[in-house]
Amino acid sequence: EIVLTQSPGTLSVSPGERATLSCRASQSLSSRSLVWYQQKPGQAPRLLIYGASSRAAGIPDRFSGSGSGTDFTLTISRLEPEDFAVYHCQQFGRSPYTFGQGTKLEI
Amino acid sequence: QVQLQQWGAGLLKPSETLSLTCAVYNGSFSGYYWTWIRQLPGKGLEWLGEINHSASANYNPSLQSRLTVSIDTSRNQFSLNLYSVTAADTGVFYCARRRRLYHPVSGSMDYFDYWGQGTLVTVSS
Repeated sequence: EIVLTQSPGTLSVSPGERATLSCRASQSLSSRSLVWYQQKPGQAPRLLIYGASSRAAGIPDRFSGSGSGTDFTLTISRLEPEDFAVYHCQQFGRSPYTFGQGTKLEI
Repeated sequence: QVQLQQWGAGLLKPSETLSLTCAVYNGSFSGYYWTWIRQLPGKGLEWLGEINHSASANYNPSLQSRLTVSIDTSRNQFSLNLYSVTAADTGVFYCARRRRLYHPVSGSMDYFDYWGQGTLVTVSS
């Protein structure tokens, strides 16, 4: 199965700053198959980015995704207080569909 | 607005069967894969399996021998049965909708766009 490794495990940043989250795949992926979710405590994950770089409906443009092959990045340009959460990457390139272990964004 | 509402027993003893059901409201039931995902304590999310309206199912090989996903199109519901649970199965289980978006240039892209509220399942003797 494809293993997704997210780094860092925890990222400490301040509101207004820029955050860059990494997701590395154990095998090359089509960029069409890489997805990012946001999860807050006690809630289900929320779709942010699909196809590596397409924002889901209602997602602010401060969220952007990029990457190809084995290296993908989620960037949050200007952190708002509501952005502090756990971020998961996930791949649909090959079944079983797998998730990274998550990056926690904390103040 | 599509809504997924799930329910099922939250406390089980080892060797029992976990049964969860997810109902889909305000949306088409066909054209999607209906999915079960779990989150074990302190770990990431794990895709368990999925089924479409034609009852074609796919499973995670790590659980395939203990897992059945079924569908009831007359009620817009789908279900999970996980047999012979152990303490290692303790976690939060989610149902979700997998959508496939077709783009003339980019090709197809999949994502989980709607999720249930989650069910905390505890396995303990």
